[in-house]
Amino acid sequence: DQQVKQNSPSLSVQEGRISILNCDYTNSMFDYFLWYKKYPAEGPTFLISISSIKDKNEDGRFTVFLNKSAKHLSLHIVPSQPGDSAVYFCAAPFTSGANNLFFGTGTRLTVIP
Amino acid sequence: KAGVTQTPRYLIKTRGQQVTLSCSPISGHRSVSWYQQTPGQGLQFLFEYFSETQRNKGNFPGRFSGRQFSNSRSEMNVSTLELGDSALYLCASSLRTSTDTQYFGPGTRLTVL
Repeated sequence: DQQVKQNSPSLSVQEGRISILNCDYTNSMFDYFLWYKKYPAEGPTFLISISSIKDKNEDGRFTVFLNKSAKHLSLHIVPSQPGDSAVYFCAAPFTSGANNLFFGTGTRLTVIP
Repeated sequence: KAGVTQTPRYLIKTRGQQVTLSCSPISGHRSVSWYQQTPGQGLQFLFEYFSETQRNKGNFPGRFSGRQFSNSRSEMNVSTLELGDSALYLCASSLRTSTDTQYFGPGTRLTVL
């Protein structure tokens, strides 16, 4: 049962443009969401998170938006850089406050120089 | 500060054997979680240990087990290996809860022949 879904397996964007990665979830009890990025042969690296009491969180070039009514979140990267090319995962703890994360299947972002 | 380390990095076993993987968390981190990553299922939560106690468990058979030592180092064990156990096993450590950033190790690549 895929409770966190990333329906786009890949995305290509020109350098300098905006990258928008999308994530949908089915469990309305999720109250915290995270984005991780993963380079080949490395473990995932935490990028940004958002609590369900907010609808936006920003950290430098990265902004996460949460639409609770639609059970949808998105990660915006502006401007996109070639070093951003990686696989991006959204995740949510199955149990509030716990470290048992449900991960999406990932979106491979390629930023073209 | 040293990151999360996992040993070994690569392992080849045959069906029916058992395997033990090791994870050393970041100094001061008390929570260690384990995940299995496969091409078909993505990243799936196995279990989490906190202060030597299993705090959360994913939906995996009893062949998968783990433990945590007093220095927070953790091991996971898979008995009676099956071909489908071939995967990248990732360990993540954090201070306590899901709102504390989880830092992932590089993973152990297990191949079952």
